[in-house]
Amino acid sequence: DAKTTQPPSMDCAEGRAANLPCNHSTISGNEYVYWYRQIHSQGPQYIIHGLKNNETNEMASLIITEDRKSSTLILPHATLRDTAVYYCIVRPRGTGNQFYFGTGTSLTVIP
Amino acid sequence: KAGVTQTPRYLIKTRGQQVTLSCSPISGHRSVSWYQQTPGQGLQFLFEYFSETQRNKGNFPGRFSGRQFSNSRSEMNVSTLELGDSALYLCASSLTNPGLTNYGYTFGSGTRLTVV
Repeated sequence: DAKTTQPPSMDCAEGRAANLPCNHSTISGNEYVYWYRQIHSQGPQYIIHGLKNNETNEMASLIITEDRKSSTLILPHATLRDTAVYYCIVRPRGTGNQFYFGTGTSLTVIP
Repeated sequence: KAGVTQTPRYLIKTRGQQVTLSCSPISGHRSVSWYQQTPGQGLQFLFEYFSETQRNKGNFPGRFSGRQFSNSRSEMNVSTLELGDSALYLCASSLTNPGLTNYGYTFGSGTRLTVV
């Protein structure tokens, strides 16, 4: 699987947009970008995924650059409950559910 | 509907013992995966089952094994426990054949195993 690079930690003020970057410069054409988050002592939670188009759901937006070498997860109005470790994962379609989570970004939302 | 249920929530075992962890997937989900999470290694894939067949296996010793039943419930077993097996063990389920879907899947809250 392609490796991803994320900053180890970020802070964001409550109510502001949190923009979490991810670099996946070796991504190949059939690999999707997934984002999960893990709140302390809970299992990871699926947020969003995409291939090459930008995606939006009720939780977040995913912006993928045109060359697909990087992406940004956007939480439009961060709340204290968004404090968590955010994982960016790339995975080829058709390889089952094996995910390589990496070390993620620890996001702290500050009141 | 109920989420992924893992039992027990916490467990303390002694070195050399064996342990069995249980996972009940979301109703209708047929794929179950297991992950180990430790502070040093992060989240690591153990194995994946679909329709009672192991589809994929991570790089863990043979002491780690699993199975899936006809109702999609899954168990994992760790024999001859070592101190390094202390971890949060997470189970995740998804709806369909994992090779045909791009959907995310749902994790349980995990079983925290402590080996003393």
